[in-house]
Amino acid sequence: GESVGLHLPTLSVQEGDNSIINCAYSNSASDYFIWYKQESGKGPQFIIDIRSNMDKRQGQRVTVLLNKTVKHLSLQIAATQPGDSAVYFCAEINSGGGADGLTFGKGTHLIIQP
Amino acid sequence: DTGVSQNPRHKITKRGQNVTFRCDPISEHNRLYWYRQTLGQGPEFLTYFQNEAQLEKSRLLSDRFSAERPKGSFSTLEIQRTEQGDSAMYLCASSLNWQPQHFGDGTRLSIL
Repeated sequence: GESVGLHLPTLSVQEGDNSIINCAYSNSASDYFIWYKQESGKGPQFIIDIRSNMDKRQGQRVTVLLNKTVKHLSLQIAATQPGDSAVYFCAEINSGGGADGLTFGKGTHLIIQP
Repeated sequence: DTGVSQNPRHKITKRGQNVTFRCDPISEHNRLYWYRQTLGQGPEFLTYFQNEAQLEKSRLLSDRFSAERPKGSFSTLEIQRTEQGDSAMYLCASSLNWQPQHFGDGTRLSIL
């Protein structure tokens, strides 16, 4: 779980475009993954989660894809809006591994250009 | 607002002083977590409670750090003899069993 992280520290997209934020994880025992959004001065806000028995899950304007073969997770945000500007973290946990908390990556700063 | 509440939002103290932070979880949540977040990093797990039982504390950064959840509701995190390196955002999260953890807005600690 120490290598949960994101490929790009900053991602800039035009308002209205789709954005894709990527995440690689190393703990093959992880079976539960969550994407969080964090705005300046606030705590992480839950966006969407996925368990390892699924490879895709959709929410409102967001889709999470899980590829267990290459240990890769992505967050797709459709039709980005100014309010989507924030730092996005993926987090993982092995829910059968005891009482550990989430392991977070360093985050990707998503910037929405007008 | 029925989210996770943390107090105070900001704490400024001198090196060597003790500080205590409080977390009020979402009322029906049985699990409560503490994390630390430094600038530019993701949150780092510290400790975890299920009801009043502290089930994981090996990740606490040193023996100067301790946490309690005496009645299985609110929790406190105490740092004794604070050091410069303790400056960070301290986040609390709660969940109902293995449902997603929901975070508060944190307590920002600054050590002078």
